[in-house]
Amino acid sequence: EAGVTQFPSHSVIEKGQTVTLRCDPISGHDNLYWYRRVMGKEIKFLLHFVKESKQDESGMPNNRFLAERTGGTYSTLKVQPAELEDSGVYFCASSQVAGWGYNSPLHFGNGTRLTVT
Amino acid sequence: QKEVEQDPGPLSVPEGAIVSLNCTYSNSAFQYFMWYRQYSRKGPELLMYTYSSGNKEDGRFTAQVDKSSKYISLFIRDSQPSDSATYLCAALRSNTGKLIFGQGTTLQVKP
Repeated sequence: EAGVTQFPSHSVIEKGQTVTLRCDPISGHDNLYWYRRVMGKEIKFLLHFVKESKQDESGMPNNRFLAERTGGTYSTLKVQPAELEDSGVYFCASSQVAGWGYNSPLHFGNGTRLTVT
Repeated sequence: QKEVEQDPGPLSVPEGAIVSLNCTYSNSAFQYFMWYRQYSRKGPELLMYTYSSGNKEDGRFTAQVDKSSKYISLFIRDSQPSDSATYLCAALRSNTGKLIFGQGTTLQVKP
């Protein structure tokens, strides 16, 4: 079984530019999450999709961030325009069901390391 | 105040030592507590989880939760150099996938 795949693994952009991150969840996982870790801080929740619907987007920092999951498969996270404070590692995770259970843990991808200069 | 607090370390121990990693949390609504291990340039990998209070053992790893003191622990017995990683504690309320992470503790096990 393929794991959660994120692309690109690393992106360096200038302030004001646009970047789009992609996440391919594990096949069959309806629940998809985005998390972010900025330098020196803990990993923080950004949002949660159930299929193509946004279940919880309470962690999105501002309207420069736009997440989509058309068709309920892969997801994209666009940052436009990027600011210096957006630098960090963006993780995607997926699970079969929402909530928690040993049979449905969150599987994380390896993350996209975003550097805004 | 952060909802989950964790000492970032680093923590360095000799091979074979018993390692104790700890977190505290502030939100009484948390019901699930987990430990993730993260190697450099990789994503977090679930090690163990515990529901409510109590202990859970899996091989060399033991997870402990004390809800009365809001304390989360992970013990690693007979630590190995391959255990060198960042260990993240996390908590969440039931029926959500919104994990609240601690900052992570970097562990180095020296041969």
